[in-house]
Amino acid sequence: EVQLLESGGGLIQRGGSLRLSCAASGFSFISYALSWVRQAPGKGLEWVSSISGPGDYTHYAHSVQGRFTISRDNSNTTLYLQMNSLRADDTAVYYCAKVLRAGGVYFDYWGQGKLVTVSS
Amino acid sequence: QSALTQPASVSGSPGQSVTISCTGMNSDLTNYNFVSWYQQHPGKAPKLILYEGSKRPSGVSVRFAGSKSGYTASLTISGLQADDEGDYYCCSYVGNLNWVFGGGTKLTVL
Repeated sequence: EVQLLESGGGLIQRGGSLRLSCAASGFSFISYALSWVRQAPGKGLEWVSSISGPGDYTHYAHSVQGRFTISRDNSNTTLYLQMNSLRADDTAVYYCAKVLRAGGVYFDYWGQGKLVTVSS
Repeated sequence: QSALTQPASVSGSPGQSVTISCTGMNSDLTNYNFVSWYQQHPGKAPKLILYEGSKRPSGVSVRFAGSKSGYTASLTISGLQADDEGDYYCCSYVGNLNWVFGGGTKLTVL
């Protein structure tokens, strides 16, 4: 059974840093790209960042480019999101999601999400 | 890329059908195979309900169907049930491990 479990969220002051983790199990971790998707309170889903299976390619939404860093530890099957220079509009529930490439490319499994609150 | 456009809300009575549209500009929805749909109940994580535009993952009801016309993808839910109530998001893969989501549609079962 695929499981994705986020941790590391919480309350942080504007301008501060926070690291999210996503512990994965139930699949061949290195074989799959992974992503972070966030959802501001009462708002829709926003793709944030992705990383390839081996970890050699990373991609970011314009809104977080230069401030967030995605990484992964394939030995410990864990995904990370280092968030620096946090702003009030980064307040959101952050989900990690497994990427499946078949005929299409989509998120087949999601974690339960972790709330990050940036206070001003 | 700009977000895909969905209606803010739709509603229907139990047993009826509803359709949620997802409109993209330019190339966002060019490849229908790259369209996926997600269901989200309040306080829960999104769940994949359609991929490659119209395919259902194992365990997803046949009441969920996908279609496309031009730059608009659609999700139709037939035989509405109370448990279908929630938010629905379309999503398009735009290359280089980048995605764009629709703004979401709140489905109310009357």
